[in-house]
Amino acid sequence: EPEVTQTPSHQVTQMGQEVILRCVPISNHLYFYWYRQILGQKVEFLVSFYNNEISEKSEIFDDQFSVERPDGSNFTLKIRSTKLEDSAMYFCASRRDGEQYFGPGTRLTVT
Amino acid sequence: AQKVTQAQTEISVVEKEDVTLDCVYETRDTTYYLFWYKQPPSGELVFLIRRNSFDEQNEISGRYSWNFQKSTSSFNFTITASQVVDSAVYFCALSEGTGGFKTIFGAGTRLFVKA
Repeated sequence: EPEVTQTPSHQVTQMGQEVILRCVPISNHLYFYWYRQILGQKVEFLVSFYNNEISEKSEIFDDQFSVERPDGSNFTLKIRSTKLEDSAMYFCASRRDGEQYFGPGTRLTVT
Repeated sequence: AQKVTQAQTEISVVEKEDVTLDCVYETRDTTYYLFWYKQPPSGELVFLIRRNSFDEQNEISGRYSWNFQKSTSSFNFTITASQVVDSAVYFCALSEGTGGFKTIFGAGTRLFVKA
């Protein structure tokens, strides 16, 4: 069964550094999402992406975040200058019709 | 606006007990999906079930069962004869068409199953 994949599974970075989290959505899916889960809290929507542009973003998704689909398969989330509070699990998801499929997540630790 | 409420923050049961996790949702859409996910300590989201708003049929899958009631906007999850391996955080979630089908999660219920 096709699945969403994410790399790396765990990323450790220093405060102020840029990170890029990568996702490979399911191949025939058209809509892409990023979510964040701070440890011990609920999963929160960050951004949705369709037709090579952001279709919706939450208030969490400020100027330090950006998303890109650089080629036909990858979907990336960039955090320009990481802060301690960016430490979280980041989930990518994709969908074609109504149902989203979630990737396994990338655990980002900012030190 | 979408909203998902899981009023139970933590539940502790003894193995072999039955346990029900409650979920109440709010939506103005007529087309929406409801989900349950399990999150073990390793952190990934394990998909358990999806229900669309036009399918109120309850479902049973092994020891798991789900009760979807549109009249009360509830989508409750029951684990029968719980096992230690069921210990995890369980999230109820909603996605609706006018929200671009983004998923809104509840706060989660942490289930402890003691041997």
